[in-house]
Amino acid sequence: AQKITQTQPGMFVQEKEAVTLDCTYDTSDPSYGLFWYKQPSSGEMIFLIYQGSYDQQNATEGRYSLNFQKARKSANLVISASQLGDSAMYFCAMRRSGGYNKLIFGAGTRLAVHP
Amino acid sequence: GAGVSQSPSNKVTEKGKDVELRCDPISGHTALYWYRQSLGQGLEFLIYFQGNSAPDKSGLPSDRFSAERTGGSVSTLTIQRTQQEDSAVYLCASSPQGFYEQYFGPGTRLTVT
Repeated sequence: AQKITQTQPGMFVQEKEAVTLDCTYDTSDPSYGLFWYKQPSSGEMIFLIYQGSYDQQNATEGRYSLNFQKARKSANLVISASQLGDSAMYFCAMRRSGGYNKLIFGAGTRLAVHP
Repeated sequence: GAGVSQSPSNKVTEKGKDVELRCDPISGHTALYWYRQSLGQGLEFLIYFQGNSAPDKSGLPSDRFSAERTGGSVSTLTIQRTQQEDSAVYLCASSPQGFYEQYFGPGTRLTVT
């Protein structure tokens, strides 16, 4: 069975510092995709970054980068130069490839950015 | 352009009543998904529609839950004989065919009293 584990229920970081949010996954599929979503207090889910299992390089999107370690089955999100607006819930999710399009989500990590 | 919209934004209903939740996906998106988010939890997959294919209903928690998608666009999630454990935020998402990213709506907060 597929599973996403986020072991940090809450994290805090000082403004302008970098922070790493952990995500490990479990799957026997050879092909899959990994996502990170941000959910501010307003409730909407905002797509941040995607990593395919066969991608050779770690994904980056602006201040977001994904530290993908396939052998360890980890896909940690790194946020550089944290901003107050980064305070939110962050969810790691996995999608099976080959037509299986549902996302399996972790329990989330609440990030608080302090000034 | 317009994003995914959902209505109502909030719904309070009495236990045992039926409710309908609506989702308008982004125009042109062929895939539509329903998820449920209970308080303080991650999202739980409910159902997935892709074009004219049979929907993937594997996440529906009971036969009180059903969903349809008319004309390949608007979708309605129906919960019959609501129970208190159905209280949650119901999120809809859509994506273009072949794209990995799902675009989420603002959700419907359902409270069953």
